Amino acid sequence: QKEVEQNSGPLSVPEGAIASLNCTYSDRVSQSFFWYRQYSGKSPELIMSIYSNGDKEDGRFTAQLNKASQYVSLLIRDSQPSDSATYLCAVIYNQGGKLIFGQGTELSVKP
Amino acid sequence: KAGVTQTPRYLIKTRGQQVTLSCSPISGHRSVSWYQQTPGQGLQFLFEYFSETQRNKGNFPGRFSGRQFSNSRSEMNVSTLELGDSALYLCASSYLAGGNEQFFGPGTRLTVL
Repeated sequence: QKEVEQNSGPLSVPEGAIASLNCTYSDRVSQSFFWYRQYSGKSPELIMSIYSNGDKEDGRFTAQLNKASQYVSLLIRDSQPSDSATYLCAVIYNQGGKLIFGQGTELSVKP
Repeated sequence: KAGVTQTPRYLIKTRGQQVTLSCSPISGHRSVSWYQQTPGQGLQFLFEYFSETQRNKGNFPGRFSGRQFSNSRSEMNVSTLELGDSALYLCASSYLAGGNEQFFGPGTRLTVL
């Protein structure tokens, strides 16, 4: 079983809509959770980190963590064509420095 | 503050050769991790260094090795290159080891012919 799972997409949303990206993880001892954005041909860019249950908001981005359900999500409000990219969910277990990545969800925002 | 830098950005090698990749972390960051990204396997962890010590190692053969210097700069080496080693190699730095946020460099694109 994969340790971090994401729907590969593509997820297509119209400009201005809310994009919802989901991620599940398998190990209950997970400590830290991250969302990265990766444009084609570029390296991953950290956009959100979340460590405790609940919501964390940063501009148009909201990360949601539910440790009981082993679920982390990213909401992008007022989606823009420039948000079109692959979004990678990553988890760190047990305070180790090893990021475990999901396969990524490709998001396409249509004008 | 300057970001993570990696050199070279592109490399073309032939099977059996060896290669050394370099990474300079963000100023003040002491932890450096290396990842391999391929279309089939996605992003996979290679190893993590903190204060010149390897803290974690991923499931890669011994042909993959690394080290960290006293100034936190890191190198990774791949010996006896195979076609399957063609990938984007990414370095990430963080202030501390463990569960800290990691910031990626631009990567080194390695092609093995």
